[in-house]
Amino acid sequence: GQQVMQIPQYQHVQEGEDFTTYCNSSTTLSNIQWYKQRPGGHPVFLIQLVKSGEVKKQKRLTFQFGEAKKNSSLHITATQTTDVGTYFCAGPTGTSYDKVIFGPGTSLSVIP
Amino acid sequence: KAGVTQTPRYLIKTRGQQVTLSCSPISGHRSVSWYQQTPGQGLQFLFEYFSETQRNKGNFPGRFSGRQFSNSRSEMNVSTLELGDSALYLCASSLLGNNQPQHFGDGTRLSIL
Repeated sequence: GQQVMQIPQYQHVQEGEDFTTYCNSSTTLSNIQWYKQRPGGHPVFLIQLVKSGEVKKQKRLTFQFGEAKKNSSLHITATQTTDVGTYFCAGPTGTSYDKVIFGPGTSLSVIP
Repeated sequence: KAGVTQTPRYLIKTRGQQVTLSCSPISGHRSVSWYQQTPGQGLQFLFEYFSETQRNKGNFPGRFSGRQFSNSRSEMNVSTLELGDSALYLCASSLLGNNQPQHFGDGTRLSIL
């Protein structure tokens, strides 16, 4: 079945450093979603990418969708302590209303 | 607009018992999905309901079941609880389905003794 992987599993950075997490799917995705879960909280939707090669920015966060629509990345510039949490990518398994598979997540720690 | 509401927030049960969890989606959202989250397994999809019908199902045993009511509220039931069922159960709603942004509730923390 479809698999969605993320690397790294954990990342510890000094405040102010950059951070990148990568998401790879075993199959082509119609779209990819990114979520952030703070410790003790629930996943919160960040963004959805639909087009091949799409790049979207949200302040210090940059999201990319690969040309083949099988991989994606999230880059955070100059991390802050508020960026702490686990970042998940998620993609549908097939047609528009199929179930969505979540990656295992990348847990980010920011050292002040 | 009120967010996704899950009740109860915490639950302690013993092996063999059954449990029912409730989820009220965001007003207007017709799709409700359930996930199990554990430290080792991440977010595992249980099932999705749309217009009172189960549209998608994950790889969980038949002990896990759910339903959706005409007002889109959903319940999840787990029978014959096992120690391994201890987890955070998250409900998420979206307008039409999982291909759209999902909005999660705070979850129900289930502990099995």
